[in-house]
Amino acid sequence: QSVLTQPPSVSAAPGQKVTISCSGNSSNIGNNYVSWFQHLPGTAPKLLIYDNDKRPSGIPDRFSGSKSGTSATLGITGLRTGDEADYYCGVWDSSLSAEVFGGGTKLTVL
Amino acid sequence: QVQLVESGGGVVQPGRSLRLSCAASGFIFSAYTMHWVRQAPGKGLQWVALISNDGITKHHADSVKGRVTISRDNSRNTLYLQMNSLTTEDTAVYYCARATFSGSYLPNGPRDWGRGTLVTVSP
Repeated sequence: QSVLTQPPSVSAAPGQKVTISCSGNSSNIGNNYVSWFQHLPGTAPKLLIYDNDKRPSGIPDRFSGSKSGTSATLGITGLRTGDEADYYCGVWDSSLSAEVFGGGTKLTVL
Repeated sequence: QVQLVESGGGVVQPGRSLRLSCAASGFIFSAYTMHWVRQAPGKGLQWVALISNDGITKHHADSVKGRVTISRDNSRNTLYLQMNSLTTEDTAVYYCARATFSGSYLPNGPRDWGRGTLVTVSP
């Protein structure tokens, strides 16, 4: 059971937009910065978003992040088949003194 | 270019110990907090531990506390994870990751990741 709650799966057609939610509490999302990661099996996870809404260099602006209260959202526009992957939110939990991740969301581009 | 290469994984019997290493290059290793994160087969990412750039501050997940110890050698640009009393629940791919920002302050989540090393705990 993950501290952060994500939907197990989302799907959309190529070219469309999808959002992935991440729900937590005041000990984690409510008072700390959220990151988002993309993970393809057998590869190194990739940071897509940090500090709630910032993109590292090299990450296209098709990827966006936002936070409101104790929830965060990852948005992906202009979906491509290459975006099929597992997506994780992550944040520091001040009560646990631990980094926590969501359970992951599998994105399917139909 | 940041490079993180994990090693030390393998098949080990329950109750035994294993030490994982992560060789870092392409950045000033001593300036960054480092993390270990694992992924069990068919499961999601699970954070294991972090260590500040100076090695003074360490945090471990409750699930491994008392059995697992993170450490680093800044002179060798290497991160370690000592795992004792292994159980089948420790079977996973173990990733090392560099924190997002330089410095010793927390929180400072993972940014750049290695490709992982597989640990299999089996009788």
